[in-house]
Amino acid sequence: GQNIDQPTEMTATEGAIVQINCTYQTSGFNGLFWYQQHAGEAPTFLSYNVLDGLEEKGRFSSFLSRSKGYSYLLLKELQMKDSASYLCAVRDEYSGAGSYQLTFGKGTKLSVIP
Amino acid sequence: KAGVTQTPRYLIKTRGQQVTLSCSPISGHRSVSWYQQTPGQGLQFLFEYFSETQRNKGNFPGRFSGRQFSNSRSEMNVSTLELGDSALYLCASSYTGGSNQPQHFGDGTRLSIL
Repeated sequence: GQNIDQPTEMTATEGAIVQINCTYQTSGFNGLFWYQQHAGEAPTFLSYNVLDGLEEKGRFSSFLSRSKGYSYLLLKELQMKDSASYLCAVRDEYSGAGSYQLTFGKGTKLSVIP
Repeated sequence: KAGVTQTPRYLIKTRGQQVTLSCSPISGHRSVSWYQQTPGQGLQFLFEYFSETQRNKGNFPGRFSGRQFSNSRSEMNVSTLELGDSALYLCASSYTGGSNQPQHFGDGTRLSIL
């Protein structure tokens, strides 16, 4: 099974940097995803990590440490439009027939204030 | 290309009724997964379909079922609706459901049970 923890809420100031942490305990691991979900909208894919280290994509970066069961999403130069929920999701071990289940954390609601 | 399309967007039912939700994946995507999202539990995996076969199933009662058609479109059905079934139901698609493939979500169907 999977257990994924992330903070429930965070607040940060426009123009600042914020780090959203995610810890996981899994019986297997085949990658970690970060999604952004604005209120009333679909989750949208932000990043994927399967190897240890930092993946950078514009203002967003994601880090993974498999030995520590830890990931973070780093958002730089925050903008008001970054106010959203950020979901951490782990692909668990191969469950047969080509299926890799994706288990989500409950999400971190980020509020960006002026 | 068009994204994942879910219909209807909103649905109101009463206890004991049944409901069918529809999902059309992105063209070329053959893996379709369904999730239930509630404020308290976050996103929870229901099941995944690939090539008209259910490959994986989450921990939901048998009242929740689904199917996939030869054109990869999928439907999920909930029978004998309960108040606790009120939620946002999200469908997500990917090419084959491989471990490194991000899932692309539809806007969801918001189901309210009276």
